[in-house]
Amino acid sequence: KQEVTQIPAALSVPEGENLVLNCSFTDSAIYNLQWFRQDPGKGLTSLLLIQSSQREQTSGRLNASLDKSSGRSTLYIAASQPGDSATYLCAVSGAGGYNKLIFGAGTRLAVHP
Amino acid sequence: DAGVIQSPRHEVTEMGQEVTLRCKPISGHNSLFWYRQTMMRGLELLIYFNNNVPIDDSGMPEDRFSAKMPNASFSTLKIQPSEPRDSAVYFCASSSRQGFGTDTQYFGPGTRLTVL
Repeated sequence: KQEVTQIPAALSVPEGENLVLNCSFTDSAIYNLQWFRQDPGKGLTSLLLIQSSQREQTSGRLNASLDKSSGRSTLYIAASQPGDSATYLCAVSGAGGYNKLIFGAGTRLAVHP
Repeated sequence: DAGVIQSPRHEVTEMGQEVTLRCKPISGHNSLFWYRQTMMRGLELLIYFNNNVPIDDSGMPEDRFSAKMPNASFSTLKIQPSEPRDSAVYFCASSSRQGFGTDTQYFGPGTRLTVL
């Protein structure tokens, strides 16, 4: 059974810092891995999707890497801003023969001025 | 595009009442997912539809829960009778099946359900 773990559970940093969020998964047979952002009281917004054949994806100040063999992904946020404050969720798909997402519990990020 | 639309945004009901949550997926998407989010269990998939057909309902917690998708632009999740432990945020998401590796799921804003 696929399990997804995110470390740390919460993180507080001053504005401008570069930071890394970690995600690990137990079954390497995945189709893709996605990083989502969730603001309080809101739905999820997809940030990056890494296909199983890819090693990383970049979007602006965000860079996500994937190491399938070791069951790990990292989300790197450069030059953090207060607007980056949110919960970041990692999800992997592959179970059930379709794009079924198994989510981690998330990392709650606070960037203070 | 308006994105995934869910209604109502908030629902407060009493134990034993029937609750119906509604979802309109993004036009052209043929995959639809219902999720439930709680503090204790995080985000869990309840049911998955493809081309309006339920494919995987293994996440539906009990017979009290049912979901339908009568056409490509509308889905409902019904709880009858509702119980306090059903209190959660329910999300609907949709995607277009271009291929497993490239499917991005787009989430609605969620319905916050409180059962008293």
